[in-house]
Amino acid sequence: AQSVTQPDIHITVSEGASLELRCNYSYGATPYLFWYVQSPGQGLQLLLKYFSGDTLVQGIKGFEAEFKRSQSSFNLRKPSVHWSDAAEYFCAVAKTTDSWGKLQFGAGTQVVVTP
Amino acid sequence: DADVTQTPRNRITKTGKRIMLECSQTKGHDRMYWYRQDPGLGLRLIYYSFDVKDINKGEISDGYSVSRQAQAKFSLSLESAIPNQTALYFCATSGRDEETQYFGPGTRLLVL
Repeated sequence: AQSVTQPDIHITVSEGASLELRCNYSYGATPYLFWYVQSPGQGLQLLLKYFSGDTLVQGIKGFEAEFKRSQSSFNLRKPSVHWSDAAEYFCAVAKTTDSWGKLQFGAGTQVVVTP
Repeated sequence: DADVTQTPRNRITKTGKRIMLECSQTKGHDRMYWYRQDPGLGLRLIYYSFDVKDINKGEISDGYSVSRQAQAKFSLSLESAIPNQTALYFCATSGRDEETQYFGPGTRLLVL
């Protein structure tokens, strides 16, 4: 069965510093990969996705993610965080063999931004 | 206006009560989903629907039922609520040939 691991439950970062959130997946083939963000009291918003092609993916709000097949990873990065980036971030994967995208979510990483 | 809406946004109920959570979408999507979110567990799929006549169980469907009244509406029912169903519930939609899912704002449910 596929699984998604976000090793960091909680990360604290200073405003202006760089941020990297880790995501590892377990699946027999390359899945579809997603990062979602959940701001306090809000639903989930798609940041970016990877289906195929260039392994460095650009998303909204200045985020990017890099797919590394050899490491089964899809880490999310931002060069300089803003206070508004404080939120919970979820990595998700979907099987490419299904006729539809059943999403498997990681447990999430809570990001706190300090002044 | 939001593309995916959920009502109510917050609900408190008592053990044993029947409760319905509603989801509506204006995206014209065929596929709709219900998830629950619990701290430390991420989101888990309860039910999903490919179209009005196609409804399927997800990984945690016990204690829940759904109704797809129209392409745009997908309701989740708790027939007899219990405290461990206290959670944040999300509805999502996706297009027929699209893997990306779009989420509603969530319904926070507390079962006493």
